[in-house]
Amino acid sequence: DQQVKQNSPSLSVQEGRISILNCDYTNSMFDYFLWYKKYPAEGPTFLISISSIKDKNEDGRFTVFLNKSAKHLSLHIVPSQPGDSAVYFCAASAQNTGNQFYFGTGTSLTVIP
Amino acid sequence: DTAVSQTPKYLVTQMGNDKSIKCEQNLGHDTMYWYKQDSKKFLKIMFSYNNKELIINETVPNRFSPKSPDKAHLNLHINSLELGDSAVYFCASSRLAGFGELFFGEGSRLTVL
Repeated sequence: DQQVKQNSPSLSVQEGRISILNCDYTNSMFDYFLWYKKYPAEGPTFLISISSIKDKNEDGRFTVFLNKSAKHLSLHIVPSQPGDSAVYFCAASAQNTGNQFYFGTGTSLTVIP
Repeated sequence: DTAVSQTPKYLVTQMGNDKSIKCEQNLGHDTMYWYKQDSKKFLKIMFSYNNKELIINETVPNRFSPKSPDKAHLNLHINSLELGDSAVYFCASSRLAGFGELFFGEGSRLTVL
C-alpha cells in the first residue's frame, strides 16, 4: 500500500517560471514531511521539510505548502533554473508508523532553458 | 569527505549467488536504513537500525539479512539472489528515527542475471 503518492511522473517548465510539484498522502497521522532531490546515479539529497504544525516553509527559491485537511503538500520552485532538473521525491513520517519515512514515486522535473 | 558511503556502486551477479553491500556513515547518526528502489522508481524501506538494534523490518524475504557491527555501519547480505532482487539499494542515516534529514548514500545498483 502506497501511503505517499506523486501522481505526476514528469513535469516540464520554462526557465524562470514557477515549478509546482504535488504530493498526496493517505495516513492522517503523518506529522513530518520532506522533499528530496535526486540526480541520476546519485542518492537523494534533502531539500526542505515541514512539520504538521505549519502550513508553509520557505528556503530561498523553494517553498513547501501543507494542506492537512486535503492531505496534500506541494513544492514550489521560483524561479526555476536548468540545474533544478532532477527527480523530486516527497516523504512523510509519523510516530505511529514506527518512525519510518514513506516515499512517493517521484516526479521528474525538466527545466527548459 | 563522504557522509554516507556504500560499496560496491555496481554489482552484477548470477542467480543463486550470495552478495553483500556495505554501508558506513561518518555523521555520528544513531539510525541507519536500507531502502530499495525498484524498476517503478518506488523507494521502499527495508530495514532500520537504531544504535545497532533492529527497529524496522518490513516484509522482506529472509534471504535479506542486515548486519550492524556498530552504529556507523549497516551492511546488507543477500542469499540466493533472484532476478527480482535487481534494483538500486540505498543506504541512509538520520540523527533520530523518523525525524530530521535522511542522508543517503549514492546507491548500489544490483543486477541479477
